[in-house]
Amino acid sequence: GQQLNQSPQSMFIQEGEDVSMNCTSSSIFNTWLWYKQDPGEGPVLLIALYKAGELTSNGRLTAQFGTTRKDSFLNISASIPSDVGIYFCAGLGDTGNQFYFGTGTSLTVIP
Amino acid sequence: ETGVTQSPTHLIKTRGQQVTLRCSSQSGHNTVSWYQQALGQGPQFIFQYYREEENGRGNFPPRFSGLQFPNYSSELNVNALELDDSALYLCASRRPGQGSTDTQYFGPGTRLTVL
Repeated sequence: GQQLNQSPQSMFIQEGEDVSMNCTSSSIFNTWLWYKQDPGEGPVLLIALYKAGELTSNGRLTAQFGTTRKDSFLNISASIPSDVGIYFCAGLGDTGNQFYFGTGTSLTVIP
Repeated sequence: ETGVTQSPTHLIKTRGQQVTLRCSSQSGHNTVSWYQQALGQGPQFIFQYYREEENGRGNFPPRFSGLQFPNYSSELNVNALELDDSALYLCASRRPGQGSTDTQYFGPGTRLTVL
């Protein structure tokens, strides 16, 4: 299956700092979704993107659909302890039947 | 709250047994997908059901099978369990659409342990 690469794999930051992470693919996607997952729980949808170049915000979170349609970025401003978790990107393939998930970025916020 | 529920929350089985996991979709969502998530990895797509028919499948053997019911709820069945089947199984409900309507919401998952 298609593999989405996320970077960085893990981040350790001070509370209040901004965070940037990205997701790249060898294939074009028509929809990008960003999720946050806490241990032992299901992923929670943060932001959905549908058009190349689209920039969408959800509170302190901002995500962008890359213009090549092969990448996406997620930024978190002024991080707080509850931002701790694993962030996944997911892209919708050509058939529209399958979302492919990234490898995840683990975020640790140090108070 | 996503409106997607799964049962049971935890399950322990032995190798060779069979298991059935259940999922109720968010209201109005006619498509259900199942994912397997091993520890430390991202969710891996098992299959998707739309209007009671399987319309997409990932790289999983036939012993992974499913059903979708008229009320859009769904089951995942796994036969001849293997140790590597131990994972968090996630159900996601979706309402495919054009433009800015295609989203996917996950349930809390079922943790399956195979001994």
